[in-house]
Amino acid sequence: DAKTTQPNSMESNEEEPVHLPCNHSTISGTDYIHWYRQLPSQGPEYVIHGLTSNVNNRMASLAIAEDRKSSTLILHRATLRDAAVYYCILRGEYGNKLVFGAGTILRVKS
Amino acid sequence: DTGVSQDPRHKITKRGQNVTFRCDPISEHNRLYWYRQTLGQGPEFLTYFQNEAQLEKSRLLSDRFSAERPKGSFSTLEIQRTEQGDSAMYLCASTRTRGRGNEQFFGPGTRLTVL
Repeated sequence: DAKTTQPNSMESNEEEPVHLPCNHSTISGTDYIHWYRQLPSQGPEYVIHGLTSNVNNRMASLAIAEDRKSSTLILHRATLRDAAVYYCILRGEYGNKLVFGAGTILRVKS
Repeated sequence: DTGVSQDPRHKITKRGQNVTFRCDPISEHNRLYWYRQTLGQGPEFLTYFQNEAQLEKSRLLSDRFSAERPKGSFSTLEIQRTEQGDSAMYLCASTRTRGRGNEQFFGPGTRLTVL
């Protein structure tokens, strides 16, 4: 599985947008980009995924670079409940397991 | 849809004892995964089932670990002769087989402490 690189931690103010970067320079053409997050004392939860085009859902937006070597998870208005570890994961065409890195710890200040 | 459930939520045991954890996936999810997570790290894959068949096992799954999914519904993960290094959060996830983007739904985990 191709590797991803994320900052160890980020901080945001409540009600402001947050951009969480992920680098994946060795991504293959059939790798999907997945984002999961893990709130304190909970299991991970799915946030969003994409292949080439930018994606939006009720939780977040995913912006994918044209060369697909990086992506950005966008939380449009951070709330205290968004404080979590965010994981960027590449998943192959027939991938099953998720290969987690250390993720980015997002802290949200009120 | 009640989500993935795991039992127990917490387990404290003494070194050398056997422990068993249970995972109940979302009904109709045919794939079930086990992961292990230690403090400050992301979850690590242990094994997964499609229906009752165990299709992949990580090298992390030593011979003291065994997982079953006898009827393709719930699954158990047993650790024999526990060691202090087994202390971790054990997470279960399930998903439907419906393509490359299928999301995994995780349970709350079982936190194991080996004294």
